[in-house]
Amino acid sequence: DAGVTQSPTHLIKTRGQHVTLRCSPISGHKSVSWYQQVLGQGPQFIFQYYEKEERGRGNFPDRFSARQFPNYSSELNVNALLLGDSALYLCASSLTGALRELFFGEGSRLTVL
Amino acid sequence: GESVGLHLPTLSVQEGDNSIINCAYSNSASDYFIWYKQESGKGPQFIIDIRSNMDKRQGQRVTVLLNKTVKHLSLQIAATQPGDSAVYFCAEMRGSNYQLIWGAGTKLIIKP
Repeated sequence: DAGVTQSPTHLIKTRGQHVTLRCSPISGHKSVSWYQQVLGQGPQFIFQYYEKEERGRGNFPDRFSARQFPNYSSELNVNALLLGDSALYLCASSLTGALRELFFGEGSRLTVL
Repeated sequence: GESVGLHLPTLSVQEGDNSIINCAYSNSASDYFIWYKQESGKGPQFIIDIRSNMDKRQGQRVTVLLNKTVKHLSLQIAATQPGDSAVYFCAEMRGSNYQLIWGAGTKLIIKP
């Protein structure tokens, strides 16, 4: 069975640009969460979506936005990129959003120059 | 500004020995805790969880201990194997907002 898939796996952008990261959850999972993991630190919660509705939002600026599609896949968008946005962006899916059943993808590594 | 090049705490243990990884949390309102394992180049993987109404929970080769008095959590891994090499994170949940607050992580190194 396919796990959580994220694309692209690596990308390089310059300051001020926009980026879109994509996530396909495990088949049957209706919830998707996004986390930012800066090198050497633990992940930080950005968003959670369940049944296409935003269920939670972390302490990130409005430059960060996300959405969930009818097929439960999700996109994370970041506008006006800053150097500090360089990180591994992790997507996790779960059946109901329950924290103990989060399954993580391998992440999208974003480098902002 | 944010520091760069943060160094993870590291625990080095002999293969076959038991490992104990510690985590301190700051918010006494946290009521649910999870330990994750993150191997190089991969996303975090659930290991074990514990609710604040418990002080110990056991899984396969792993035990989590919770001391609410001193706000301390530990993960014990029995008979450590090379496959246990990873960064281990504790994460806490406060309330019902489905948001996990993660610790900085501990890198576990297994010596042959």
